Amino acid sequence: NAGVTQTPKFRVLKTGQSMTLLCAQDMNHEYMYWYRQDPGMGLRLIHYSVGEGTTAKGEVPDGYNVSRLKKQNFLLGLESAAPSQTSVYFCASSSGDYGYNEQFFGPGTRLTVL
Amino acid sequence: SQQGEEDPQALSIQEGENATMNCSYKTSINNLQWYRQNSGRGLVHLILIRSNEREKHSGRLRVTLDTSKKSSSLLITASRAADTASYFCATAAFGGSNYKLTFGKGTLLTVNP
Repeated sequence: NAGVTQTPKFRVLKTGQSMTLLCAQDMNHEYMYWYRQDPGMGLRLIHYSVGEGTTAKGEVPDGYNVSRLKKQNFLLGLESAAPSQTSVYFCASSSGDYGYNEQFFGPGTRLTVL
Repeated sequence: SQQGEEDPQALSIQEGENATMNCSYKTSINNLQWYRQNSGRGLVHLILIRSNEREKHSGRLRVTLDTSKKSSSLLITASRAADTASYFCATAAFGGSNYKLTFGKGTLLTVNP
């Protein structure tokens, strides 16, 4: 039981490049989330999904897109990376509405945009 | 604006001492959750306390919630070097069509051996 895994662990991009971050969970959770963590800012929600085929915007969605084609996977895409997107990205999942349930986090992806 | 804010921002204690961290928030909540983050790792859920609860225990952890003061505290007793980490409170409040979970900026706890 791996829990929540993220790929890749580290990535360096040049401004304007694109990339996709992959999150996978093996707990059969309905809800999945993407956060970014910046120094002194805490965690901020980018996008989330309440089930396969659904996505919704979080607090800071601009510059990101997501897809949830399979229940166990949640993809975060950067179409044209900007230095302001340098951050650590965390994926999380929960069995139900995150207002009621704990979230399980992946180990993070450290992204640097030059 | 930030819903949950931890205090202090940093705390340094000796092994064996107790550590207390506080969290204040602004609006009514459904529940409040505490998470731990070791350096370079993801967050790990510690404890969830609902708005109708006043105190919860889990091992060496004790969490209190005072909804009248809109505050919570996390007490770690008999601390160990392995407790060194950042601790975050997260408040769950209804926002529109579902609940929102908002994280504070965290308290960095250092336990010196």
